[in-house]
Amino acid sequence: KQEVTQIPAALSVPEGENLVLNCSFTDSAIYNLQWFRQDPGKGLTSLLLIQSSQREQTSGRLNASLDKSSGRSTLYIAASQPGDSATYLCAVEDSGYALNFGKGTSLLVTP
Amino acid sequence: KAGVTQTPRYLIKTRGQQVTLSCSPISGHRSVSWYQQTPGQGLQFLFEYFSETQRNKGNFPGRFSGRQFSNSRSEMNVSTLELGDSALYLCASSQKGQSSGANVLTFGAGSRLTVL
Repeated sequence: KQEVTQIPAALSVPEGENLVLNCSFTDSAIYNLQWFRQDPGKGLTSLLLIQSSQREQTSGRLNASLDKSSGRSTLYIAASQPGDSATYLCAVEDSGYALNFGKGTSLLVTP
Repeated sequence: KAGVTQTPRYLIKTRGQQVTLSCSPISGHRSVSWYQQTPGQGLQFLFEYFSETQRNKGNFPGRFSGRQFSNSRSEMNVSTLELGDSALYLCASSQKGQSSGANVLTFGAGSRLTVL
């Protein structure tokens, strides 16, 4: 059974800092890994999707990397802003049309 | 282009009652999946439908059921509600018909169920 772990559970940084969120998974036989953002009481917004054959994806200030062999992914956020405050979720799709989610990292960026 | 629409957004039920939640996917998306989100367990997969067929079901009791209609809209039903069923229920749709590397899911805003 796929287990997805995210570290740290919570993070508080001052505006402007670069930061890294970590995600690990136990079974490397995955189709893809996705990073989502969730604002309080809202649904999920897809940020980046990395296919199993890819090593990284970039979108604006966000960069996600994938190392399947070690079962790890990182989400790098450059020059953080208060609007980046949210919960960031990592999810892997391995089979059965289902995503396995981590518990998330709650990020607070202070002005 | 309209997003994934879930109704109702909020509802309160009492133990023993049943509830039906609705999800309208993005136009052209034929896959609809459901997730339950609670503070303790996080996001857990409930089931996935494609072209009116359930292709996978998560580890939930039989009180949780769902269906998909020919227009791809989906409903999920929870019978004999328990306090532990209080959660945010999220629906997601995608275009892809099979598990693949590029299966991007678009989520709705969710239906928040409170069981008293």
